[in-house]
Amino acid sequence: QQQVKQSPQSLIVQKGGISIINCAYENTAFDYFPWYQQFPGKGPALLIAIRPDVSEKKEGRFTISFNKSAKQFSLHIMDSQPGDSATYFCAAGGSFSGSARQLTFGSGTQLTVLP
Amino acid sequence: NAGVTQTPKFRVLKTGQSMTLLCAQDMNHEYMYWYRQDPGMGLRLIHYSVGEGTTAKGEVPDGYNVSRLKKQNFLLGLESAAPSQTSVYFCASSYVAGGPETGELFFGEGSRLTVL
Repeated sequence: QQQVKQSPQSLIVQKGGISIINCAYENTAFDYFPWYQQFPGKGPALLIAIRPDVSEKKEGRFTISFNKSAKQFSLHIMDSQPGDSATYFCAAGGSFSGSARQLTFGSGTQLTVLP
Repeated sequence: NAGVTQTPKFRVLKTGQSMTLLCAQDMNHEYMYWYRQDPGMGLRLIHYSVGEGTTAKGEVPDGYNVSRLKKQNFLLGLESAAPSQTSVYFCASSYVAGGPETGELFFGEGSRLTVL
């Protein structure tokens, strides 16, 4: 079973603080690790993604840190803003048993940034 | 830009009734997917399609059927709805499947289904 475990389930951060969401995977065949952001009543949208050949990727206030040996990756949101309040999903992509590539999603983290 | 459009957005069914959710995309994407989202369980893949006329099972396919008669449309059917199928259903499409090169999933806004 290709699982992706995500924590915490919910996170409350003060405005200006750092939000950190962690994910762990088991299958080393995963080779693509995106993060999706979902606002209430909307579908998820790609936020940032990383490949396993780099240890970090930064886009504005959002950074993915990747630890291949530990099979873990995390999302860091610097200077968190109330507008960042949303549900965040990590995911891992790979191809298994000859089937088409699929994304396996974590269980989600509901982030609330207090003003 | 319409992107991915799902209809209907809300539906209430009684146990045993049938229904079809329609997904349409205007991005000429080859791959289309149906996910269900439940609290604490993230997004789980129901069925997916790698092209017109093809479908495949995902992680939780039981109780659902799909069809992809046209490249731009992907239909999800429930033949005999059960309360366990109460969920929010998301359709998505991508140019390629789940990979680092243009593998971005574009999601619709969801269809909330309640089965009584």
